[in-house]
Amino acid sequence: DVKVTQSSRYLVKRTGEKVFLECVQDMDHENMFWYRQDPGLGLRLIYFSYDVKMKEKGDIPEGYSVSREKKERFSLILESASTNQTSMYLCASSSGPKLFFGSGTQLSVL
Amino acid sequence: AQSVSQHNHHVILSEAASLELGCNYSYGGTVNLFWYVQYPGQHLQLLLKYFSGDPLVKGIKGFEAEFIKSKFSFNLRKPSVQWSDTAEYFCAVNTNAGKSTFGDGTTLTVKP
Repeated sequence: DVKVTQSSRYLVKRTGEKVFLECVQDMDHENMFWYRQDPGLGLRLIYFSYDVKMKEKGDIPEGYSVSREKKERFSLILESASTNQTSMYLCASSSGPKLFFGSGTQLSVL
Repeated sequence: AQSVSQHNHHVILSEAASLELGCNYSYGGTVNLFWYVQYPGQHLQLLLKYFSGDPLVKGIKGFEAEFIKSKFSFNLRKPSVQWSDTAEYFCAVNTNAGKSTFGDGTTLTVKP
C-alpha cells in the first residue's frame, strides 16, 4: 500500500511565523501535490511537482512556496503565516491520474 | 481550465434510501473521472474511477457511477445507503497525469 505521511496532524502557529509542512511518500511517485481543504470550497491545489527540484503553481499559490529536494519529500512553506491560511492541508502523490492522500494537517493560525 | 460542479452540498438520507450525487465538469477533451470519499476522521480515499470503456463503473462498498459524455456528468449512485456511508464525497477530474480538479464536496449524513 502507498503511504503518504504528513509530519503533523495538528499545528497551531502565530501570525507572521514561518511554517513548514512536511510530506513524505514511500512509493517512488514522480508527482506530489499540496491541496488545502476548506468547508464548502472542496480541495484547491496550491502547488505541485512532477520531479525533484521542479515545482509549478496550482490555483491558489499566493502566500505559499514549496521545496522538493528529494523525490520522496515535498514541503509546503508559509513564509509569514496569516489567519486566512487556517485550513486543512492535504498532501498527495501519484504516478498517474489516481491520487494517494496523506491524513492531512489541520493548521490554525492565531 | 477544467472545473467541477457538485450539485448538493449536504444530503441527509435514512438508511436503505437510494442515493444519487450529481457531478458535472467542464472540459472539452479526454478526461479521467473520480469519486473520492472522506469518512469522519480519516484521509481521502478513492471510491471509484473512470478512465475509458464501459461508462458504468463500480466501486467499493456498492457504489457505482455513470459517465455520460454528452452531459459532461459523472453521477454517483448507491441503491441502499447505510449509516456507515456517512462521509464527505468529492468528484474530481483529471486531464493530465496527476493534476486533478475537485468539486466543492457533498456531505452525506445517513440517519440510522
